[in-house]
Amino acid sequence: DAGVIQSPRHEVTEMGQEVTLRCKPISGHDYLFWYRQTMMRGLELLIYFNNNVPIDDSGMPEDRFSAKMPNASFSTLKIQPSEPRDSAVYFCASSRLGGGAETQYFGPGTRLLVL
Amino acid sequence: SQQGEEDPQALSIQEGENATMNCSYKTSINNLQWYRQNSGRGLVHLILIRSNEREKHSGRLRVTLDTSKKSSSLLITASRAADTASYFCATSGSARQLTFGSGTQLTVLP
Repeated sequence: DAGVIQSPRHEVTEMGQEVTLRCKPISGHDYLFWYRQTMMRGLELLIYFNNNVPIDDSGMPEDRFSAKMPNASFSTLKIQPSEPRDSAVYFCASSRLGGGAETQYFGPGTRLLVL
Repeated sequence: SQQGEEDPQALSIQEGENATMNCSYKTSINNLQWYRQNSGRGLVHLILIRSNEREKHSGRLRVTLDTSKKSSSLLITASRAADTASYFCATSGSARQLTFGSGTQLTVLP
């Protein structure tokens, strides 16, 4: 399996622009997680889905952030409008339900820089 | 918010030595996991220990869990330069999500 795929790997944009991050989870995994990692705040869970349905979005910082999962093989995290404080590495991870299957598999991340 | 706190924040050792990292957490858990992150990469799962387990081994890794003290330790034996990375503990409660600690940066000097 190719693992979790994220795109783009790097994104540089200007403040106010819309940013869309993409994720393809591992086939057969029914949980998908979006995280943000910064030096100041560490690794934070933003939102997670189960069977394409958002379960907990309490980590989403504000209304400028939105996430969708239209099908089992694709999810997006959108920031509109972007701000410099959104600069971070954004990770997508997936896992599957089942005994002993709580392990999360992480993608390589998208490094976002908002100027 | 971060549930786990790793100690130390940074650790530097010589190749061949053992490395021990500790993690403390605040609430009851179902399991605790350790992940490694190489610079500029995603996190990679290392080992999972359930709340009813006290010790677990995987290759050069040894994890202990003390639920009464709400703490865990990760021991890497006979360290190698390739073990240089950040190590995170992550706790899982009744819900599906993981809560990650702040991480320990391990440097293994050749």
